[in-house]
Amino acid sequence: ETGVTQTPRHLVMGMTNKKSLKCEQHLGHNAMYWYKQSAKKPLELMFVYNFKEQTENNSVPSRFSPECPNSSHLFLHLHTLQPEDSALYLCASRTGFGTNEKLFFGSGTQLSVL
Amino acid sequence: AQSVTQPDIHITVSEGASLELRCNYSYGATPYLFWYVQSPGQGLQLLLKYFSGDTLVQGIKGFEAEFKRSQSSFNLRKPSVHWSDAAEYFCAVDAAGNKLTFGGGTRVLVKP
Repeated sequence: ETGVTQTPRHLVMGMTNKKSLKCEQHLGHNAMYWYKQSAKKPLELMFVYNFKEQTENNSVPSRFSPECPNSSHLFLHLHTLQPEDSALYLCASRTGFGTNEKLFFGSGTQLSVL
Repeated sequence: AQSVTQPDIHITVSEGASLELRCNYSYGATPYLFWYVQSPGQGLQLLLKYFSGDTLVQGIKGFEAEFKRSQSSFNLRKPSVHWSDAAEYFCAVDAAGNKLTFGGGTRVLVKP
């Protein structure tokens, strides 16, 4: 148990649906991340938030819309997804900087787009 | 841009045997280096990290890794594998400030 909780664990959605992924941590961390883990591909960084401000958007399509209302919660809003968006979406939070940095990952949401 | 290569997609090892997972990185300077493990249905857990100093790094669960600058490598080792070590292992680099770049992963299967 890392202290980073993601819900739901599994999600099946059609291409016309709108859904949201939720990530929550009460570790006091001020940086949160979304990663995408597809089969046969390395983990891809999607978004980074520092102190609720988005500091990184790694050329993610606009059908993925992140939201960080406070330092403890991070959402990923999904709409009109494509089948190739099926993947494991991992949330992480970070403590420390430089030599003290450490990422804590959630268990992920396994997304299937039909 | 930094990159990380894990040449072995799958490795099968017998329980009690030694394990070595390869990782090569591409970056102009010495980055921060990490190894993570992902068990089925779980997120990633940090095994160990290298920032500077002693090139042999000890981690959790009996793992260690050795940084070799001349080879741009950061290989992970364990002297005696347990069945619970079956998982996927990811090498990662942080060269751009708090943004990890991951390798493709190596899936380890442990034979009884």
